[in-house]
Amino acid sequence: DGGITQSPKYLFRKEGQNVTLSCEQNLNHDAMYWYRQDPGQGLRLIYYSQIVNDFQKGDIAEGYSVSREKKESFPLTVTSAQKNPTAFYLCASTRGGSSGNTIYFGEGSWLTVV
Amino acid sequence: QLLEQSPQFLSIQEGENLTVYCNSSSVFSSLQWYRQEPGEGPVLLIALYKAGELTSNGRLTAQFGITRKDSFLNISASIPSDVGIYFCAGQRTGGFKTIFGAGTRLFVKA
Repeated sequence: DGGITQSPKYLFRKEGQNVTLSCEQNLNHDAMYWYRQDPGQGLRLIYYSQIVNDFQKGDIAEGYSVSREKKESFPLTVTSAQKNPTAFYLCASTRGGSSGNTIYFGEGSWLTVV
Repeated sequence: QLLEQSPQFLSIQEGENLTVYCNSSSVFSSLQWYRQEPGEGPVLLIALYKAGELTSNGRLTAQFGITRKDSFLNISASIPSDVGIYFCAGQRTGGFKTIFGAGTRLFVKA
């Protein structure tokens, strides 16, 4: 079945470390996204990519980095510059850049700073 | 908030009906409703593409407003497993990014 796979589901980070969250999709979607969700809160956009080798900052990009070397993959690195990284991270994708495309989500990754 | 969602919280008895609303001052080309269970990603419930469109999915019914600026989601005969956060989301006409409402947290008492 087609879908979006995020890994790991749970990740613990020591202060000062960088960690990378994986996101792979086999939906043949052009656009991919990373969202952050804090407990009891809505979704905030970190980064998005409309095509391979191109990505744009979202609303809360500071302390994060991404790459888009393959259409299927959009990994997110949480750097040591992100002062409060403990949150639930969601990867998503849409078919293309035109409006009207429904967004599909992975199952999410929990990141905790220890 | 570009998409105003209400109510923010909803606590009902099992078997009751409920309605969640989504409003904006902007025109949207499409609008979707999602449900998120704790610790999981949001799952698409209903997608709306045409002005005035009324769509059902089991006990769920949603409509896209005639002006494309609003929508509602109705759940009939609620059951305990309906609990979660319900989000409306949409793409503005000519826009690319998906815009999300703040979510409605639903509690169903057995």
